[in-house]
Amino acid sequence: GAGVSQSPSNKVTEKGKDVELRCDPISGHTALYWYRQSLGQGLEFLIYFQGNSAPDKSGLPSDRFSAERTGGSVSTLTIQRTQQEDSAVYLCASSLQRGLQETQYFGPGTRLLVL
Amino acid sequence: AQSVTQPDIHITVSEGASLELRCNYSYGATPYLFWYVQSPGQGLQLLLKYFSGDTLVQGIKGFEAEFKRSQSSFNLRKPSVHWSDAAEYFCAVGATDSSYKLIFGSGTRLLVRP
Repeated sequence: GAGVSQSPSNKVTEKGKDVELRCDPISGHTALYWYRQSLGQGLEFLIYFQGNSAPDKSGLPSDRFSAERTGGSVSTLTIQRTQQEDSAVYLCASSLQRGLQETQYFGPGTRLLVL
Repeated sequence: AQSVTQPDIHITVSEGASLELRCNYSYGATPYLFWYVQSPGQGLQLLLKYFSGDTLVQGIKGFEAEFKRSQSSFNLRKPSVHWSDAAEYFCAVGATDSSYKLIFGSGTRLLVRP
């Protein structure tokens, strides 16, 4: 079946512009996660959704970052007034349910470059 | 704070040689431990995971890992590497204050010599 998909695969933007990154999780997966992978770094947790609600936004680095999920499916991560330090690969993952015993399936990521 | 250390940024091995990638985690009474692989242009794929029980865990693609509580380690091994194993490997631990959050190491890039 289809895996997690993300779009766009690459995004180049100018400092100060807003960007939207999209994630389509595996159908039927209730839990959805966003991570950020900066150059030479591991993945950094950003936000977790259970259904449409986001009980854990603790990893969002600033109030310029926001995310929503609609219909228990597609999620959008929005970065306002982008800064150069926002350049990274943004990865989305989904799992059937919440829980560390549930495998998180990752998308291919969106590579964001802020000039 | 919890952390995961992968001390080797790059490792190069010859095809057919054995492989061991190191991973150490900071703390966790009964850690949930994972190894993921990321091939170029691909998302992360779960290789194996450890929750409890037998400390030697078998995964996909011929990989295995051994949990050693005394050393806080969860090293990944493969007896004979194939060229297609060239990728980046990430070790992760389940956060103790969360039922879903993963804490990742910075990764080890594996290069395979023909």
